[in-house]
Parts: sequence; structure tokens; C-alpha cells
Amino acid sequence: AQKVTQAQTEISVVEKEDVTLDCVYETRDTTYYLFWYKQPPSGELVFLIRRNSFDEQNEISGRYSWNFQKSTSSFNFTITASQVVDSAVYFCALIVTGGGNKLTFGTGTQLKVEL
Amino acid sequence: GAGVSQTPSNKVTEKGKYVELRCDPISGHTALYWYRQSLGQGPEFLIYFQGTGAADDSGLPNDRFFAVRPEGSVSTLKIQRTERGDSAVYLCASSSTSGGLKGNEQFFGPGTRLTVL
Repeated sequence: AQKVTQAQTEISVVEKEDVTLDCVYETRDTTYYLFWYKQPPSGELVFLIRRNSFDEQNEISGRYSWNFQKSTSSFNFTITASQVVDSAVYFCALIVTGGGNKLTFGTGTQLKVEL
Repeated sequence: GAGVSQTPSNKVTEKGKYVELRCDPISGHTALYWYRQSLGQGPEFLIYFQGTGAADDSGLPNDRFFAVRPEGSVSTLKIQRTERGDSAVYLCASSSTSGGLKGNEQFFGPGTRLTVL
């Protein structure tokens, strides 16, 4: 069975600091997809990024960047120069091709960005 | 275009009652998913529809839970004889099948907060 672990329950930073959210996954499938979702206080999950298991290139989108390393089964998410609007719960999730198309989520990391 | 919508946004019911939660997916999305999110946890998969049929219902916790999607668009999650432990936010998501279904991003609705007293 697949599993996603987000060991950081809560992180607090001061605005403009950089912050990295950790994600470690477990699966025996060789083909899988990794995701990050943001859940602001309003509650709606917002899709941020998808990576497939064959593409280990890191990705940057504005202040967001993602580091995918198959060797350590990690898919970490970094926010550069954090802002108060980044405060939310962030979920890492996994889809394995042998398991239908259902998302397996981690328990989430609550990020608080303070002035 | 419009995103995934869910009604009601909040539902309070008494233990033992029957409830129906509705999901209206993004137009054209053939895949529809239901998840349940308890406080402080990540969403947990319940059931997935491809078109009108349930392709995977392995996440339904017991036979009190049932979902339908009769015309391949709107879906209804039905819970019989509700229990206090059913209290959670029920999330619906949809995805397209363009380019194949596997790994396509799922777009979530705002959820229905169910409280069983």
C-alpha cells in the first residue's frame, strides 16, 4: 500500500523568510504521480503542482519551487520570501497507477506566516 | 468556467438520520471522486466514478455509505443511519480524461461540513 508522510505538523515563519515543507512517500509502483495542494482557511483545496515518477527535474513557479528526489522518495516544496497570504495547510499527495486514480494524502503541514 | 460545486455547504443532522450530499463537477469532466476529511487530517478517498459507474468504491467505510451518478454528471453521496463518527467535511473532486486519466489533476469543491449530533 502507498503512504505519504509529512512529518512537520506546523511551521511558523516571519514574512520574507524562506520555508521548506517536507514530503516523503512510499510505493512499490514504478509509475506514480506526486501532487501538492494548498488548503487556505476557506477550506477549498487548490492544486499547485503534479510530477510524474519519470520526471525528476526540479520546477520553479514564481516564489514556489519543488525538489523531487527518487533516491530518497522525497518531494519537498519551498516557498521563497514567504508572505502572509501563504498561510495555509499544505498537503502532499500520491497517485499510483496500480491503485486506480485515487489520491493518497499526507496529514498536511500548517504554515503560519507572521508579520 | 465554473468549478466544482457542492451543496449544502453545511449540514447538521441527528444521529440515526439519513443525509444526501450533492456534487456538481466541472462541465465535461467524466471522472468524479468523493473524499472525507476529518479535523486535522488529510482527505481520505471514498469512491471514484468514471462516467456513470463506480470504478472504485474501496474507500467507503461500510454499507451505510452509498453514492450514485446516474447521468454521468451530478453525484449524490448518501449516508444512512448517521453516526457521530460520520462528522467530517465531505469533499468532491473531478478531473478530465484528456490525454488519459492516470495522474490527471483533480479539482476540488468547497466541501460539505456534516455534523451529526
